[in-house]
Amino acid sequence: KQEVTQIPAALSVPEGENLVLNCSFTDSAIYNLQWFRQDPGKGLTSLLLIQSSQREQTSGRLNASLDKSSGRSTLYIAASQPGDSATYLCAVRPQGGSQGNLIFGKGTKLSVKP
Amino acid sequence: DTGVSQDPRHKITKRGQNVTFRCDPISEHNRLYWYRQTLGQGPEFLTYFQNEAQLEKSRLLSDRFSAERPKGSFSTLEIQRTEQGDSAMYLCASSLAGGGEKLFFGSGTQLSVL
Repeated sequence: KQEVTQIPAALSVPEGENLVLNCSFTDSAIYNLQWFRQDPGKGLTSLLLIQSSQREQTSGRLNASLDKSSGRSTLYIAASQPGDSATYLCAVRPQGGSQGNLIFGKGTKLSVKP
Repeated sequence: DTGVSQDPRHKITKRGQNVTFRCDPISEHNRLYWYRQTLGQGPEFLTYFQNEAQLEKSRLLSDRFSAERPKGSFSTLEIQRTEQGDSAMYLCASSLAGGGEKLFFGSGTQLSVL
């Protein structure tokens, strides 16, 4: 059974720092991996999607990497800002699974202090 | 705004009552998903529609839960005889088949069962 783990559960950094969020999954047979952002009491916003054949994706100050063989992904946030404060969730789509049947981690709650 | 909308935002009900939630996806999206999220956890997949066909249901979707998507547009999720364990955020997402796999989430319906 696929399990997704995110470490740390919470992170507090001063504004301007670069930071890395970690995601690990137990079964390397995945179709893709997505990183989402969730603000309190709100839905999820897709940040980056990495197909299983890709190693990384970049969008602005965000860079996500994928090492499928070791079951790991990282989300790198450069020059963090208070507006980046949110919970970041990682989700995998198992190989053979439907598009929407994603397995989520519990998230990392990020707080960026001004 | 053409995002995913969910109604109501909040619902408080007494144990044993029936509740129904509505989701309006992005208009051109033919795929629609329901997820459930409890505090401190990642979302868990419940069910998935392509057009009006319900193609997949999680074993989390007990007999008390039913989802419909008549005419392939909006969807409803009904919970009969609610239990306290049903208290959660119910999230709806939509996507376009062949549209790059990204899911677009609504803001959710927060259900509290007293």
